[in-house]
Amino acid sequence: QKEVEQDPGPLSVPEGAIVSLNCTYSNSAFQYFMWYRQYSRKGPELLMYTYSSGNKEDGRFTAQVDKSSKYISLFIRDSQPSDSATYLCAMSEYTGNQFYFGTGTSLTVIP
Amino acid sequence: DADVTQTPRNRITKTGKRIMLECSQTKGHDRMYWYRQDPGLGLRLIYYSFDVKDINKGEISDGYSVSRQAQAKFSLSLESAIPNQTALYFCATSERGRYNEQFFGPGTRLTVL
Repeated sequence: QKEVEQDPGPLSVPEGAIVSLNCTYSNSAFQYFMWYRQYSRKGPELLMYTYSSGNKEDGRFTAQVDKSSKYISLFIRDSQPSDSATYLCAMSEYTGNQFYFGTGTSLTVIP
Repeated sequence: DADVTQTPRNRITKTGKRIMLECSQTKGHDRMYWYRQDPGLGLRLIYYSFDVKDINKGEISDGYSVSRQAQAKFSLSLESAIPNQTALYFCATSERGRYNEQFFGPGTRLTVL
């Protein structure tokens, strides 16, 4: 079983839609949860970073962590064509420790 | 100029050849990482370095070696390339105290025939 599972998609939504991206994990020791965005032919870039359970909001993006269910989500409100990318979740047990990445979900926002 | 650069950006080689991928950074970060990305498998850590004297194996280090020549330079070598090492390779950096924020280079696409 992989440490981190992520639905690869692809996901296609109309502009303005609310997008929900999700990952599940098996290691209950994970405490740090990250979402990276990767545009085609580019390296990943950090989008959101949360510690332990709870929600974190940054503009149109909300990251949610439910440690009891070993489930994390990224919500994108009012999605834009510029949000079209692959979204990768990543997690680690403690700061500075090895990251475990999901396989990524490909998102296309149609104008 | 890009903060994390990788050379070459694309490379085609043959089985058994020795290959070196290079990474340079101008961010002044102490930690550097090498990942490979494969469809359906995501990003996997090959090696990481806390500083010039500290090298650590990651999840999939077999068949690879690294060299941290300076704080700003971290090279990945494939001593004898094989076809299943065909992948997209990324270098990343992070700074002391903010290790969960990794900055990635543009990637090197390696094909081993």
